[in-house]
Amino acid sequence: DQQVKQNSPSLSVQEGRISILNCDYTNSMFDYFLWYKKYPAEGPTFLISISSIKDKNEDGRFTVFLNKSAKHLSLHIVPSQPGDSAVYFCAASDGNNDMRFGAGTRLTVKP
Amino acid sequence: EADIYQTPRYLVIGTGKKITLECSQTMGHDKMYWYQQDPGMELHLIHYSYGVNSTEKGDLSSESTVSRIRTEHFPLTLESARPSHTSQYLCASSEYVGRGGTGELFFGEGSRLTVL
Repeated sequence: DQQVKQNSPSLSVQEGRISILNCDYTNSMFDYFLWYKKYPAEGPTFLISISSIKDKNEDGRFTVFLNKSAKHLSLHIVPSQPGDSAVYFCAASDGNNDMRFGAGTRLTVKP
Repeated sequence: EADIYQTPRYLVIGTGKKITLECSQTMGHDKMYWYQQDPGMELHLIHYSYGVNSTEKGDLSSESTVSRIRTEHFPLTLESARPSHTSQYLCASSEYVGRGGTGELFFGEGSRLTVL
C-alpha cells in the first residue's frame, strides 16, 4: 500500500522557468512533510519541510505548498537552475518519526 | 553536512555469500533506519531502531538482519545473498522530535549491492 505517491516519474523544464513537483498522500495521520533531493550515487539530502499546521513554507527558491483537504503537496522551484537536476522525493511522517517516501520525480533543468 | 557513513559504497558478490553493510553516525541520534531502493521506486523501510538493543522490521519484508549494540553503529547483514537482493541500501538517522529534532532524516551515501 503506497501511502505517498508521486505520479510523475520525470519532469523537464527550461532554465529560469518554474518547476512544480507534485505529491499525494493517503494517510490522514501524516502531519509532517518533507522533500528530499537525490543526486546519482549519493544519499538523499533534506531540502525543505512543512508542518500540517501550515499551508506554505518558503526557503529561497524553494516553496512547498500543502493542501490538507486534498491530501496534496507540491514543491515549487523558481527560477530553476541546471544544478537543480536531480531526483526529488516527497516524504511524510505521522509524528511517530516513521517516514514514508514516494517513488521520486526526476527533474531535468535544461540550459 | 550530515555525519553518517556507509561502507562499502559498491559491492559485487556471488550468490550464497554472507555480507554486512556498515553504517555509522556521529551525531548521537537515537533513531536509525535502513531503506532499500530500486531505480524509479520509492524508498522502502526494511529495518529501524529506536536506540541501543532496539530493532524493528519495516514495511518491506527483508531477509536481512540488523543489530544495534552501540548508538552510533547499525550494521545490516545478509547471511546468504541472492540476485534478488541486488539493490541500493540507504542508512539514515534522526533525532526524536521531542528532543529538539526536526524529524529530518540524515542519509548516508548508500551501498549499492550486486549479487551475481
